[in-house]
Amino acid sequence: NAGVTQTPKFQVLKTGQSMTLQCAQDMNHNSMYWYRQDPGMGLRLIYYSASEGTTDKGEVPNGYNVSRLNKREFSLRLESAAPSQTSVYFCASTGTANSPLHFGNGTRLTVT
Amino acid sequence: AQKITQTQPGMFVQEKEAVTLDCTYDTSDPSYGLFWYKQPSSGEMIFLIYQGSYDQQNATEGRYSLNFQKARKSANLVISASQLGDSAMYFCAMRPPSGYSTLTFGKGTMLLVSP
Repeated sequence: NAGVTQTPKFQVLKTGQSMTLQCAQDMNHNSMYWYRQDPGMGLRLIYYSASEGTTDKGEVPNGYNVSRLNKREFSLRLESAAPSQTSVYFCASTGTANSPLHFGNGTRLTVT
Repeated sequence: AQKITQTQPGMFVQEKEAVTLDCTYDTSDPSYGLFWYKQPSSGEMIFLIYQGSYDQQNATEGRYSLNFQKARKSANLVISASQLGDSAMYFCAMRPPSGYSTLTFGKGTMLLVSP
């Protein structure tokens, strides 16, 4: 029972490079989320997808794009990475509003 | 907008003692949900406990309980009989009444349990 799977686990980019973080869940959840975690800041919402076919901005969407590829998959793209995007990125999913978010294990991204 | 405040950057407790981690929140909505998550040094986010704003009783899950004081807008996590494995970062989070779980997180409290 995999839950939420994120790839890659680690990534180093140079400023200006692009990359896509992949996320897939096997729990048949409708809603999926991308958060970033920075020291002393807690987790901040980047984008979310309430259901297949919809995406919405969260608290810190600048510099990111997302794609809800199907019900299982929700990707996060950095078109032109900046050092300020050095962070740990978490994907999460949930089935209903009162249910807890299930998190992936995170992607540690460093932009030099 | 919702706001979650965790005023304790770090807490220390001895093994087998109880500890309370503070969480206050600010919202004008009557309907909301409150969550606590644990993040050990390995980095994963582990769900601990949930309290709905209309729940009549405080939530409990094993050694975890939530001291929910709605009028004071506080949702403190109580861990009874602390164990060494409880050493971790703890996050309080709130869900707005929009119907989607776009959780807003506090900045966290680091708990260290000593033998």
